[in-house]
Amino acid sequence: AQKITQTQPGMFVQEKEAVTLDCTYDTSDPSYGLFWYKQPSSGEMIFLIYQGSYDQQNATEGRYSLNFQKARKSANLVISASQLGDSAMYFCAMREKDTGRRALTFGSGTRLQVQP
Amino acid sequence: DGGITQSPKYLFRKEGQNVTLSCEQNLNHDAMYWYRQDPGQGLRLIYYSQIVNDFQKGDIAEGYSVSREKKESFPLTVTSAQKNPTAFYLCASSIGSITGTEAFFGQGTRLTVV
Repeated sequence: AQKITQTQPGMFVQEKEAVTLDCTYDTSDPSYGLFWYKQPSSGEMIFLIYQGSYDQQNATEGRYSLNFQKARKSANLVISASQLGDSAMYFCAMREKDTGRRALTFGSGTRLQVQP
Repeated sequence: DGGITQSPKYLFRKEGQNVTLSCEQNLNHDAMYWYRQDPGQGLRLIYYSQIVNDFQKGDIAEGYSVSREKKESFPLTVTSAQKNPTAFYLCASSIGSITGTEAFFGQGTRLTVV
């Protein structure tokens, strides 16, 4: 079964508008972390935001916020006031505590295109 | 500046050759990882290491080998047994492997079989 599912292969948004990128995850581990990364066309992976499974509040980092709904196992990324530089691939990832494998597991990504 | 350096940026391999991708970090991180990315897809874990002289297979380890003799270095060898090695390879590191530590990535190596 897919651990991380990103159902939107591509998204378009107008500059200055907000956009939500979907991510659902599957785990039986009560302790886990959820991450979002941005990958521009250059290929580097840029860390954006982190949410822990025990965090009571949704994480925010500047224009990025994470809409964490634990019961639904979703961790959607919200980008406010989109900029042309936000055009990139976005990946959701998870690290579980008790599986013994502590590496990040990634989803298939969403390509975001910001239009002027 | 602290970071992760991958070299070379582009690599061409002939059929049947082994090639080694370099990954060096000066962040004093214990954990290091290798991922493979195919066009338009997500990252898949090849190998990871949580400590020097120890490493574990990821989801797609067949045809690859690694070593971790030094904390700062985690080279990946793509062997001739890897039948479809053309891909983008990303190396990453993290302070440890507890849930809350993000991974930092290198710039990647693009490997092409010619």
